Formats: sequence, structure tokens, C-alpha cells
Amino acid sequence: DAKTTQPPSMDCAEGRAANLPCNHSTISGNEYVYWYRQIHSQGPQYIIHGLKNNETNEMASLIITEDRKSSTLILPHATLRDTAVYYCIVRVGGSQGNLIFGKGTKLSVKP
Amino acid sequence: AAGVIQSPRHLIKEKRETATLKCYPIPRHDTVYWYQQGPGQDPQFLISFYEKMQSDKGSIPDRFSAQQFSDYHSELNMSSLELGDSALYFCASSLGLTNTEAFFGQGTRLTVV
Repeated sequence: DAKTTQPPSMDCAEGRAANLPCNHSTISGNEYVYWYRQIHSQGPQYIIHGLKNNETNEMASLIITEDRKSSTLILPHATLRDTAVYYCIVRVGGSQGNLIFGKGTKLSVKP
Repeated sequence: AAGVIQSPRHLIKEKRETATLKCYPIPRHDTVYWYQQGPGQDPQFLISFYEKMQSDKGSIPDRFSAQQFSDYHSELNMSSLELGDSALYFCASSLGLTNTEAFFGQGTRLTVV
């Protein structure tokens, strides 16, 4: 599985958009980009995933660059409850690809 | 909606004892994953099962074993427990098709004393 690189920490003001970057320059054509978050030792929570098109759901948007070497998770209106560690994971397709967690980004949403 | 159920939520064992953690996947999910998360660490993949067969193996110690049963629930058996096995153990499940999301349980906190 391709490796990902994320900043160790970020701050965001409550109510503003949080943009979390992820580099995955060695991603293969059959690998998807997944985002999970973990709030204080709870089970990781699925956020969104995509292959090459931008994706949006009720939680967030995922923007993947055309060359697929990087992506950005966008939380449009961050709240204090969005404070968590956010993990960007690339996952092989075509099989029951496993989620291999790297070092995520600790997002702190401040009032 | 039903989620992944893990039991017990908390477990305290002494060194050299054995422990069994259980995971009940979301109904109709046929794939189960186990993760270990030590204090201040990121989740580490241990092992996964698809349709009752082991599908992949990560950094699972030889002292640990796991299996998936006919009703798709899974058990992680841990023997000769060591202090370093103290951690959160998460189970996740998914529908074993390509690129469907995996959902995690709330974890079992194992403390070895």
C-alpha cells in the first residue's frame, strides 16, 4: 500500500472550513484514498473515500488532484466536536484491501 | 443502525494469562479486521478475515490467534499476556467487496498487570 504524509497538527477556528492535506505520491492506479478520524480513543470513524473524482457527503468533501498524488479533506464548517486525529489512508482495490494507518493530523478546532 | 459490537469493553488480566476478545460485525458484513492501538500510538493492523478465511496478516504476535466463525463474528485469542499487550483493540467490519468502507467498533481496552 502506498504511504501517506500528513502534517502532524493543524488548528482551525470554529465555523471556518478546515482543509486537511495529504500527500500520496506513490499511489497506484487501483488504490483509493480513504479518510478516517479518531476522537479521543474512540473507534476510528469513516469520513469519505474516492478514487480520482472529487467526492462530497454529509460530513466532508474530498478533493483529489488530477495526478492523484495528493488530496485534501475539507470540513466546510468546523465545530468543536470535529477536534480529532484525521487519518488519510490509501487502500488497494480489487481485494479486501486493509486500512493501514499512518501518522495522522491532529486537528484542533478552537472557539 | 446496527454497529460493530465488541466485548468486553474493558478487561484486566495478569501477566501470562490468556484473554479472548469478541467482535460482532454489522449484519451482512463478511469481512472483519483487528487492530491494536497502544497508548499514544496509531492503530496497528493485526489480522483480517473474509468469509471465515484469513485474508491478510499484519503485525500480530505469534502468541495471538484469531478466527472468524460461521455467523461471521470473530474472536481474538491472546495467550501468555505481557505488560506490553496493554492497549485498545479495535475490530472493524465491511462488506467484502472492493472499496467499501469499513466501520469500527468502540474497542476493548485491555490492561495487563
